[in-house]
Amino acid sequence: DVRLVESGGGVVQPGGSLRLSCATSGFTFSDYAMNWVRQAPGKGLEWVSSINSRGGGSYYSDSVKGRFTISRDNSKRTLYLQMNSLSAEDTAVYYCAKGTPHPGGFDYWGQGSLVSVSS
Amino acid sequence: SYELTQPPSVSVSPGQTATITCSGGNLGDKYVSWYQQKPGQSPLLLMYQDTKRPSGIPERFSASNSGDTATLTISGTQAVDEADYFCQAWDSSTAPYVFGTGTKVTVL
Repeated sequence: DVRLVESGGGVVQPGGSLRLSCATSGFTFSDYAMNWVRQAPGKGLEWVSSINSRGGGSYYSDSVKGRFTISRDNSKRTLYLQMNSLSAEDTAVYYCAKGTPHPGGFDYWGQGSLVSVSS
Repeated sequence: SYELTQPPSVSVSPGQTATITCSGGNLGDKYVSWYQQKPGQSPLLLMYQDTKRPSGIPERFSASNSGDTATLTISGTQAVDEADYFCQAWDSSTAPYVFGTGTKVTVL
């Protein structure tokens, strides 16, 4: 079975940094694009970032561009999100999501990791 | 930036058909996916590439995409279908993904 498990969330002060990890199993990690999607409390889904299967191409939403960095280690089957210069607006549950075989969607999601930015 | 608009809420009686719209400029030129999210759970992919249903998703879920509007249809709606539904668009020329505003479906 496909499994995505996020870790690394927590409480951080404004201006601080956090690194999220997403450990995966049950599929050939190196064959698929991977993504981060977040959901602020009581709000909708917001795409954050994507990275292609080999890690050579990455994309970011305007709201995180220049502050967040997505990366992957195919040997460890793990996806990462380095988050810097965090603000209250970044408070959300962050989901790791696997890309569909044919581009366009996200077919498996992790349970999410809560990031709370507060002083 | 590109935006996708959904009705905030849709109410439907058990056994009836629920229709959820997703509107965006030239949306028909993009691939649309749909997700279901129940309280406290992660989103679940319902439809992808406009009309394709992943294995395990009931046939009562169907979708279309044309012009400026994509539509998710739930036929024979059941109480278990009560959830939030989100559309999502992807365009190969622009790469980033966009989610719709979300629709809460209530089964009365």
